[in-house]
Amino acid sequence: ELKVEQNPLFLSMQEGKNYTIYCNYSTTSDRLYWYRQDPGKSLESLFVLLSNGAVKQEGRLMASLDTKARLSTLHITAAVHDLSATYFCAVGGYNFNKFYFGSGTKLNVKP
Amino acid sequence: NAGVTQTPKFQVLKTGQSMTLQCAQDMNHEYMSWYRQDPGMGLRLIHYSVGAGITDQGEVPNGYNVSRSTTEDFPLRLLSAAPSQTSVYFCASSYNRGHRGEAFFGQGTRLTVV
Repeated sequence: ELKVEQNPLFLSMQEGKNYTIYCNYSTTSDRLYWYRQDPGKSLESLFVLLSNGAVKQEGRLMASLDTKARLSTLHITAAVHDLSATYFCAVGGYNFNKFYFGSGTKLNVKP
Repeated sequence: NAGVTQTPKFQVLKTGQSMTLQCAQDMNHEYMSWYRQDPGMGLRLIHYSVGAGITDQGEVPNGYNVSRSTTEDFPLRLLSAAPSQTSVYFCASSYNRGHRGEAFFGQGTRLTVV
């Protein structure tokens, strides 16, 4: 069974700082997804990474995928309070018809 | 488009009661799935469907049933509720053919079993 591990699970940081969230997965997959969840809310799609070396950026967030290392990263640049949320990575969805999620990284950006 | 609609948003059940969580999507997506979310455990797949009339088990299927009679609807039935089923339940749909394949989620159902 496919396993997805995220770290760290909790991240408290000051505004203006940079940090990276890591997502490792156990078997080959050609699709990696990042989602954001605000407290009490649903999951919102952030990035879809479809191939080795894929890099996507939106504002202060940048996601990348290394399929050979089975690793994706979500990099936060100059964090702001509005980025406080829980971030999930998920693997699968194309040939698998289902998604496997990491445990999530709860990010708290202090003003 | 409404996207993925789940009802109810909140529910309290007594142990042993049964109920159905409703899920409907209006995006003509082939794939639909149910997840439960528990603190520190991410989302775990309960059941999924690749089309009308086709369903299969996920990671944690025990105590739940599903059926898919139409493309739009994918209800989740709790047969005899137990406190261990207290969780937040999300329904999702996705469409993979020539598409990015991401899942779109409903707003969730917060279920408490007492």
